[in-house]
Amino acid sequence: DVKVTQSSRYLVKRTGEKVFLECVQDMDHENMFWYRQDPGLGLRLIYFSYDVKMKEKGDIPEGYSVSREKKERFSLILESASTNQTSMYLCASSLWSARGELFFGEGSRLTVL
Amino acid sequence: AQSVTQLGSHVSVSEGALVLLRCNYSSSVPPYLFWYVQYPNQGLQLLLKYTSAATLVKGINGFEAEFKKSETSFHLTKPSAHMSDAAEYFCAVSDPINGNQFYFGTGTSLTVIP
Repeated sequence: DVKVTQSSRYLVKRTGEKVFLECVQDMDHENMFWYRQDPGLGLRLIYFSYDVKMKEKGDIPEGYSVSREKKERFSLILESASTNQTSMYLCASSLWSARGELFFGEGSRLTVL
Repeated sequence: AQSVTQLGSHVSVSEGALVLLRCNYSSSVPPYLFWYVQYPNQGLQLLLKYTSAATLVKGINGFEAEFKKSETSFHLTKPSAHMSDAAEYFCAVSDPINGNQFYFGTGTSLTVIP
């Protein structure tokens, strides 16, 4: 089975702190994604990557950056966390094909105080 | 651009009753379609997907969905609701031209009443 692992399930950070959220997938998928999930807003795409060192902005990239140094690992970085970044963050991966579904991690719930 | 509309952010059904969760999409070309389920404090799990084969798609846990091109719909159904079906359900489409693009609805929260 495909496994997408997010390093932290729950985090509490203070305003201004730097936050790293890491995601690892074990199925050699080309595509990896970071979504943010908020009640009533569904899933919103922050960034995605279709290859090592490649990244593309999604719908809400402001305040976030990403890193993909290895094919299996995709990190989301909040350079200076703010309270409006309190949310559930979901990592996903997929094959390079529209037929291929997204496989999700368990999610990382971030609270910024 | 593609978009997905899920009618009804909250749906309640009695245990044993029919479950019907609605999803409509807008797309210039027939997309690929997915339904996902999310249990509390977990990630999303694939229920079923349509990728231009049979229009009636069967998924896990007794769910199925029918692709209706004329109605641009992909509604999710289950004949008899179980308490364990209580969860958030998301409809999604992917762009057949660009495999990187997935578009999600805002979700429907299903409550099952004993």
